[in-house]
Amino acid sequence: QKEVEQNSGPLSVPEGAIASLNCTYSDRGSQSFFWYRQYSGKSPELIMSIYSNGDKEDGRFTAQLNKASQYVSLLIRDSQPSDSATYLCAGELTGNQFYFGTGTSLTVIP
Amino acid sequence: DVKVTQSSRYLVKRTGEKVFLECVQDMDHENMFWYRQDPGLGLRLIYFSYDVKMKEKGDIPEGYSVSREKKERFSLILESASTNQTSMYLCASRSALYTFGSGTRLTVV
Repeated sequence: QKEVEQNSGPLSVPEGAIASLNCTYSDRGSQSFFWYRQYSGKSPELIMSIYSNGDKEDGRFTAQLNKASQYVSLLIRDSQPSDSATYLCAGELTGNQFYFGTGTSLTVIP
Repeated sequence: DVKVTQSSRYLVKRTGEKVFLECVQDMDHENMFWYRQDPGLGLRLIYFSYDVKMKEKGDIPEGYSVSREKKERFSLILESASTNQTSMYLCASRSALYTFGSGTRLTVV
């Protein structure tokens, strides 16, 4: 089992809809989680971090963490074509090891 | 802002060549990493370093080596390039958060 798992997609949503991206992790002791966005041919850029249970909102983005169920999600409200990218979930697991999921490809259809 | 600079965006090398990929960061970070990224496989850790002259193998070190003579510079070396090393290579630097370089797309022919 991989430390961090994502559904690779692809996920397609119409413009203006909510895009929901999900990630599960195996290490129950994990403390910190991150979402990176990666445009085609570019390097990943950090868009959200979350450290405690619950929701964290930043503009159109909301990260959700549920440590009991060991999942992390990213919601993108009012999706725009410019949100089309691959989204990488990452977790800092016990022992200070950092693991990335394989990414979910999102396409927002105008 | 932390800046991580990779010296080449695109490289084409021949099978058997020795290849050097250079990475420099400007924020005095101790931790530096080399990943390769392939479709469907995500980011795979090749080597990392927590300090000068220190190196640790990641998940896929075979066919690679690294050098960290100075804190700001972490070099990835392909001793004898092969076609299965054609990939996107990403360098990263880290304090609390990762910052990635712009990547080097290497093609081995």
